[in-house]
Amino acid sequence: EVKLSESGGGSVRPGGSLRLSCTASGFTFSTYAINWVRQAPGKGLEWVSSFSSGGDTYYADSVKGRFTISRDNAHNTVHLHMNSLRAGDTAVYYCAKPFQEHVLQGGMDVWGEGTTVTVSS
Amino acid sequence: SYVLTQPPSVSAAPGRTATITCGGNDIGSKSVHWYQQRPGQAPVLVIYYDSDRPSGTPERFSGSNSGNTATLTISRVEAGDEADYYCHVWDRSSDQQVFGGGTKLTVL
Repeated sequence: EVKLSESGGGSVRPGGSLRLSCTASGFTFSTYAINWVRQAPGKGLEWVSSFSSGGDTYYADSVKGRFTISRDNAHNTVHLHMNSLRAGDTAVYYCAKPFQEHVLQGGMDVWGEGTTVTVSS
Repeated sequence: SYVLTQPPSVSAAPGRTATITCGGNDIGSKSVHWYQQRPGQAPVLVIYYDSDRPSGTPERFSGSNSGNTATLTISRVEAGDEADYYCHVWDRSSDQQVFGGGTKLTVL
């Protein structure tokens, strides 16, 4: 079964840090990009970051300079390192994979269940 | 940055057709994907590359894309189709993924 599973969410004070993890199984992890998408309470989907199969990284303007995405193909894991967290970063964070290998622009056919990040004083 | 505009809500009676639009500058030159999200669940891909259906998506779901508007059409609407729907593109000019604001489909 193709599966993605997020972990690492929790509650943190403004200015704090968290590291989210996305662990994959059931497919050839190294040949797929991995995306992070978040959803604030009662709001829509917002793309956060992507790590391509070729090693390139991409960030939304809202997190550039604060978040860093990294990848460990040996352990089928992608991490999202989040620093200088703000109340506006409060959301459910999903990781998702494109349905095609080696592309960034494909539709995302597998999503994790999400992990919740709450930034509050 | 690239912006995708969706109507906040759309409604349709069972058995009728629901049309959800996604507007963007020259969106017809981009590949559009559509997701269905039910409350408390992760999104599910229902249309990719403008009009292709993943296995598992009913044939009642179709998509088109031209000019400045992409469209998701749901024929013979059922109660189970009630959900939020999001369009999505990759914007090459900014190297960013972009989602529309989402449309809540209400089945009357």
